[in-house]
Amino acid sequence: SQQGEEDPQALSIQEGENATMNCSYKTSINNLQWYRQNSGRGLVHLILIRSNEREKHSGRLRVTLDTSKKSSSLLITASRAADTASYFCATGPNSGYALNFGKGTSLLVTP
Amino acid sequence: KAGVTQTPRYLIKTRGQQVTLSCSPISGHRSVSWYQQTPGQGLQFLFEYFSETQRNKGNFPGRFSGRQFSNSRSEMNVSTLELGDSALYLCASSEDREKLFFGSGTQLSVL
Repeated sequence: SQQGEEDPQALSIQEGENATMNCSYKTSINNLQWYRQNSGRGLVHLILIRSNEREKHSGRLRVTLDTSKKSSSLLITASRAADTASYFCATGPNSGYALNFGKGTSLLVTP
Repeated sequence: KAGVTQTPRYLIKTRGQQVTLSCSPISGHRSVSWYQQTPGQGLQFLFEYFSETQRNKGNFPGRFSGRQFSNSRSEMNVSTLELGDSALYLCASSEDREKLFFGSGTQLSVL
């Protein structure tokens, strides 16, 4: 069952602009992760943020987590055409193991 | 290290048949998870194996089964195929049961 829900469903920007995607979830979590998927291929792990962390950076990626609002955001700065992909948030539950994925945000970066 | 390898890449079957998909995890990873991805439902967790034991199972009918071998390679089987089983089946391995490394998937079409 879906836990996270990304917003917006689709986003179109130009190269050099920043892209912000949001994720909301319903139950308590141990961690929240973001993954990227290109054209129906496998997903690639981008970043993991734990429930006791509020912000994390990795290169051009910045992730925030607000457990009181049960939401997270992924910011990609200075977007490139190669960032065109679908982005998924996945929540790691407090009990059990299986990651629950949202339906993703489709990002299109045009030159 | 080699990545997660899934075979075959594409598969076409007819209703009522059965199918076996294979996954070779990254060397040293003992956890293997399977996900079904469809445009309508997104990514749905099927099951996870760790050291040859099924640790978690998603909400799928008994037609979906899997196993893991002593070398951590995993197979999943779907019996009595239905049209709705058409999907991208993704395998992911993990060292820490947190961050997942995905294969490129097997695209199954049921006619």
